[in-house]
Amino acid sequence: DTAVSQTPKYLVTQMGNDKSIKCEQNLGHDTMYWYKQDSKKFLKIMFSYNNKELIINETVPNRFSPKSPDKAHLNLHINSLELGDSAVYFCASSQDGLGLTGAKEKLFFGSGTQLSVL
Amino acid sequence: AQKITQTQPGMFVQEKEAVTLDCTYDTSDPSYGLFWYKQPSSGEMIFLIYQGSYDQQNATEGRYSLNFQKARKSANLVISASQLGDSAMYFCAMREQRYGNNRLAFGKGNQVVVIP
Repeated sequence: DTAVSQTPKYLVTQMGNDKSIKCEQNLGHDTMYWYKQDSKKFLKIMFSYNNKELIINETVPNRFSPKSPDKAHLNLHINSLELGDSAVYFCASSQDGLGLTGAKEKLFFGSGTQLSVL
Repeated sequence: AQKITQTQPGMFVQEKEAVTLDCTYDTSDPSYGLFWYKQPSSGEMIFLIYQGSYDQQNATEGRYSLNFQKARKSANLVISASQLGDSAMYFCAMREQRYGNNRLAFGKGNQVVVIP
């Protein structure tokens, strides 16, 4: 069974559209994240939720809105898509995002969603 | 300011040889954790190895080992006996205690190509 699954894997859409990416983890983790990987492969955190509560909200346009209906799910909704939003978006989870406890804090990543805005 | 620096250009390594990937970091936090991830061409992010700032010994996981030099703020990854499947991007990442959460800051990555 896939530990962190995100859908869709590929998303091609027109500028101005609204789209969502879904993420689910079956690891029982408390914390989930969204990362964005740009064309130069740089990974940057966007959001983090712990037990459905938003704990990290980086400088991200408010067109991006995460939603966590329960601690196993963290979806990303993007309004009014722009060309610059084209990237790979990774969902991730970790056991506990509120304390430093060593290797247990490693992130488990989904397989990524390649978003292409035309 | 960039917290994790990976500056090596793309590297070619002969199969079965060892390769060292450089990573330097910047923090004033005495408590932090360092992670290495592998991203093959298929795109998934695979955790390789972890080093805590208070760990007395260098971390090892199979063919992966970490050359942790705290005073120099470096955490180089050593891959021994390279295999073709090691061809990938490798990312160094750091988490600082002071943030109180699991915010991992990533470097820009090192590209490794293993040649037969």
